[in-house]
Amino acid sequence: AQTVTQSQPEMSVQEAETVTLSCTYDTSESDYYLFWYKQPPSRQMILVIRQEAYKQQNATENRFSVNFQKAAKSFSLKISDSQLGDAAMYFCAYRSAKGAQKLVFGQGTRLTINP
Amino acid sequence: DAGITQSPRHKVTETGTPVTLRCHQTENHRYMYWYRQDPGHGLRLIHYSYGVKDTDKGEVSDGYSVSRSKTEDFLLTLESATSSQTSVYFCAISPVEPSNIQYFGAGTRLSVL
Repeated sequence: AQTVTQSQPEMSVQEAETVTLSCTYDTSESDYYLFWYKQPPSRQMILVIRQEAYKQQNATENRFSVNFQKAAKSFSLKISDSQLGDAAMYFCAYRSAKGAQKLVFGQGTRLTINP
Repeated sequence: DAGITQSPRHKVTETGTPVTLRCHQTENHRYMYWYRQDPGHGLRLIHYSYGVKDTDKGEVSDGYSVSRSKTEDFLLTLESATSSQTSVYFCAISPVEPSNIQYFGAGTRLSVL
């Protein structure tokens, strides 16, 4: 079974600075997808960024980018120019490319932005 | 926003009572999922459905059952609620395409006293 681990329960960063959230995963599959979801205090789960395992190029979405290291099974999220609205729980998730497309989540990292 | 509605949004119940949570979608997506969120565990899959009347168990299915009689509705039932089922429950939907994204409902906070 696949597992996802987020080893940083909490992180904090100064507004306008850059922060990196870590995620590692374990799988024997070669084809899969990785995601970062954001959960603000409203509780809504919001997709931040997605990475296909077969793509070597790291995904980027505006101020959000990932460092995908397939051999190391690492998938970190970098947030540049941090804003107060980035404060939230961040979840890393894995999904196999086969089967029912179930998501396996990490434990989450709570990100605080200091003004 | 994806058309997903969870009801109720909040519920307080007593141990031993049955509880049903409803997930309704307007997207006509094939896949539907129920997750629970607990501190320190992230979200964990309870049950999922890959079509009308087609369901299967997830990681934490004990004490839960589901039904899907229509494409748009996916029901989660706690036959006899226990305090360990106090949690936030999320429904998600997903189309069939391999590169798809799961879209989540707003969640239901359930307290079992």
